[in-house]
Amino acid sequence: QSVLTQSPSASGTPGQRVTISCSGSNSNIETYIVNWYQQLPGTAPKLLIYSNNKRPSGVPDRFSGSKSGTSASLAISGLQSEDEADYFCAAWDDSLNGPVFGGGTKLTVL
Amino acid sequence: QVQLVQSGAEVKKPGASVKVSCKASGYTFSDYGISWVRQAPGQGLEWMGWISPYKGNPKYALELQGRVTMTMDTSTSTAYMELRSLKSDDTAVYYCARTIFGVVIGANWFDPWGQGTLVTVSS
Repeated sequence: QSVLTQSPSASGTPGQRVTISCSGSNSNIETYIVNWYQQLPGTAPKLLIYSNNKRPSGVPDRFSGSKSGTSASLAISGLQSEDEADYFCAAWDDSLNGPVFGGGTKLTVL
Repeated sequence: QVQLVQSGAEVKKPGASVKVSCKASGYTFSDYGISWVRQAPGQGLEWMGWISPYKGNPKYALELQGRVTMTMDTSTSTAYMELRSLKSDDTAVYYCARTIFGVVIGANWFDPWGQGTLVTVSS
């Protein structure tokens, strides 16, 4: 059972906008920044969003992050087939005294 | 470019130890930390701990304390993770990741990641 809660799956058609949510508590998301990682099939995770809403160099502006209270969201606009991947949120947690991850959301592009 | 290259797959028996290496290139190794994250088959990501030349002692996940040791060799830009008393539950892909620490407390992120090392624990 992950400390941060994500829906196991999400889907959309090419060109659509999809949102992936991440729910936590006042000991993690509400207090600390949220990061998002993308894991393409059979590969290592890749940093997608850091510090709630910042994109590393090379990440398309189709990807955006936001945070409000104890929840965070990752939005993907102009969905493309290559966006099919697992997406994980992460944040520091006071109770565990370390970074924690969500269980991951598998995004399918129909 | 910044790159982390990990050692190859390992098969171990229960009770044994495993040591995974992670060689960095493309940046000043001592300017960043290295975290270790594992992923059991079909499962999510689990942070195991990190080590940084400028943040003092390594920091380990509570549930792994006593079984894990993380070290860095700045002369070869290589980080190591040793896990002892292996159990079948330790079967996973183990990733190293360069760790960036922000100025705000609790701010840290992992970029990039190594390619992963599969550790299989089986009798």
